[in-house]
Amino acid sequence: GNSVTQMEGPVTLSEEAFLTINCTYTATGYPSLFWYVQYPGEGLQLLLKATKADDKGSNKGFEATYRKETTSFHLEKGSVQVSDSAVYFCALNDYGGSQGNLIFGKGTKLSVKP
Amino acid sequence: EAQVTQNPRYLITVTGKKLTVTCSQNMNHEYMSWYRQDPGLGLRQIYYSMNVEVTDKGDVPEGYKVSRKEKRNFPLILESPSPNQTSLYFCASSPRSLAGGSTDTQYFGPGTRLTVL
Repeated sequence: GNSVTQMEGPVTLSEEAFLTINCTYTATGYPSLFWYVQYPGEGLQLLLKATKADDKGSNKGFEATYRKETTSFHLEKGSVQVSDSAVYFCALNDYGGSQGNLIFGKGTKLSVKP
Repeated sequence: EAQVTQNPRYLITVTGKKLTVTCSQNMNHEYMSWYRQDPGLGLRQIYYSMNVEVTDKGDVPEGYKVSRKEKRNFPLILESPSPNQTSLYFCASSPRSLAGGSTDTQYFGPGTRLTVL
């Protein structure tokens, strides 16, 4: 079945460092891909998404490119801030499945130190 | 303000004592869903609802019930809670189901942390 694998954390960076969180997926069709972020004590919120191959999603300085050839959707940010400390989830939609839900990776906790 | 609300936010209970976690959305969304979040396992879907009176099992439905009598509400019911249901629960909604390639965003509630002793 469809699945998402993302790098395990926690990831600890200094402020202004470059961030990469790896995400790869397995899917039979052409899913849409998402990154959700969960700030401490809150629910998940959509960070960015991409709906087809070579699409780049971007928001708040974060970017991710849908790479069909490598089945990847890595999250990047050029200069992280303390306020970016959160748990990040990569997800895909269960395209073609009867339930139509998101399949999530296990999450990567990011801590940014001043 | 468009939002998904859940109540209670925190709950400690004992084994076997029936409980209900409420979920409400004010965005007129058709699709609603419940997830549980556990360390090392990420989010797993419990139940979902495509529309009023239409509900179905997700990946981990055992021990849970749901109902969808109104579009805005989707309560999660634990008839006889057990300690392995101790978890962080999230309700989510989206305009439509994500089936068929829809790219609708899911909107999540703030979570309910449940402890079953």
